[in-house]
Amino acid sequence: QVQLQESGPGLVKTSETLSLTCSVSGYSISSGYSWAWIRQPPGKGLEYVGSVYHSGATYNPSLKSRVTISMDTSKNQFSLEVNSVTAADTAVYYCARISTTGDRRRFDPWGQGIWVTVSS
Amino acid sequence: DIQLTQSPSFLSASVGDRVNFTCRASQDISNFLAWYQQKPGKAPKVLIYGASILQSGAPSRFSGSGSGTEFTLAISSLQPEDFATYYCQQLNRSPFTFGPGTRVDIK
Repeated sequence: QVQLQESGPGLVKTSETLSLTCSVSGYSISSGYSWAWIRQPPGKGLEYVGSVYHSGATYNPSLKSRVTISMDTSKNQFSLEVNSVTAADTAVYYCARISTTGDRRRFDPWGQGIWVTVSS
Repeated sequence: DIQLTQSPSFLSASVGDRVNFTCRASQDISNFLAWYQQKPGKAPKVLIYGASILQSGAPSRFSGSGSGTEFTLAISSLQPEDFATYYCQQLNRSPFTFGPGTRVDIK
């Protein structure tokens, strides 16, 4: 059974860099699939942040200039960095696998989420 | 980016009701659409993908239909555990955008 778990600081200061890690168990991320980050500001909907795969990463243009997603296959983890954060980056951050059956994709499974507050 | 709209944004219903929600895409996404259920404080769970394929383990009272730009999620007989927020997501082209959600409350 594939499981994902987010980790990282719950509080980040304004203008600094938010760094999160998603640890994957039950599947080797080097074996395939893409791996995604999604966030949800308090009381709001879901926002796709970006995803990483063996040959690179793709980002939501709304965040692209501030976001980096990378993989560490030796640790079976992938990571998110968001720089120059503001209060608008306060959210629950989720990681997920982009599962594929044939050419049909979905985000499954998801991690439980980690709450990150940006404050001065 | 491909924009998704969902209607209604809020729905009040009773246990046993049949309910339908709609998701519309700003351009043709074929059947690259998934539906998720999210309960308060929990991560979303996929119910439907490929517009109409029931995710393994999801109850059979959930069904999806549609293609192109208009999609529907139906619950044949609402159960107490179905009171939640439902999001659609397009996976045709990155960024893989989500709709704003439909919240289902108990009448």
